[in-house]
Amino acid sequence: KNEVEQSPQNLTAQEGEFITINCSYSVGISALHWLQQHPGGGIVSLFMLSSGKKKHGRLIATINIQEKHSSLHITASHPRDSAVYICAVRKGYGNKLVFGAGTILRVKS
Amino acid sequence: DTGVSQDPRHKITKRGQNVTFRCDPISEHNRLYWYRQTLGQGPEFLTYFQNEAQLEKSRLLSDRFSAERPKGSFSTLEIQRTEQGDSAMYLCASSFDKSTYNEQFFGPGTRLTVL
Repeated sequence: KNEVEQSPQNLTAQEGEFITINCSYSVGISALHWLQQHPGGGIVSLFMLSSGKKKHGRLIATINIQEKHSSLHITASHPRDSAVYICAVRKGYGNKLVFGAGTILRVKS
Repeated sequence: DTGVSQDPRHKITKRGQNVTFRCDPISEHNRLYWYRQTLGQGPEFLTYFQNEAQLEKSRLLSDRFSAERPKGSFSTLEIQRTEQGDSAMYLCASSFDKSTYNEQFFGPGTRLTVL
């Protein structure tokens, strides 16, 4: 079993819909990242969090340390949000990240 | 541009050839990481440097792979005698270990295709 699991693997939404992507992990972590990857490969860090909730524009990320679960929400989705969203965790206080397989999001206009 | 840069962005090579990729981290970052991402998967850790010292290597990094960071700034990743299974996106990231959570910043990646 992978240490970081994401769901769903693929998600198609209509423009304007509220979107939720989930991430569950099975190891102790010191931080969790949500990353966005567009076709062509470049990865952009959206959030890094170790507790609670963070908001940036239409994006919201939450984490529940006890349940080892995080969610990424996109409000009022737009076609430009179409990308792969990746959850990654820093195990303990180690230095490397362990990644989920990613969620492919397509927002249709 | 003060972000992480990688060169080349794309590399097509024939099986058996050697290839070398370069990563330039954010200037004040003392940690540098290499990851590999195959199609449809999340990235996987390969190795990381603290300054010029290579502190951890994944078992994914076979003898054909070598990484260096000679002056603690840019890094190179060399693959010798490439195989078709080496085709992937090679990602570099950097961080500053004195920052609160040692957040990693990623480069655009080098996409390798081995024919």
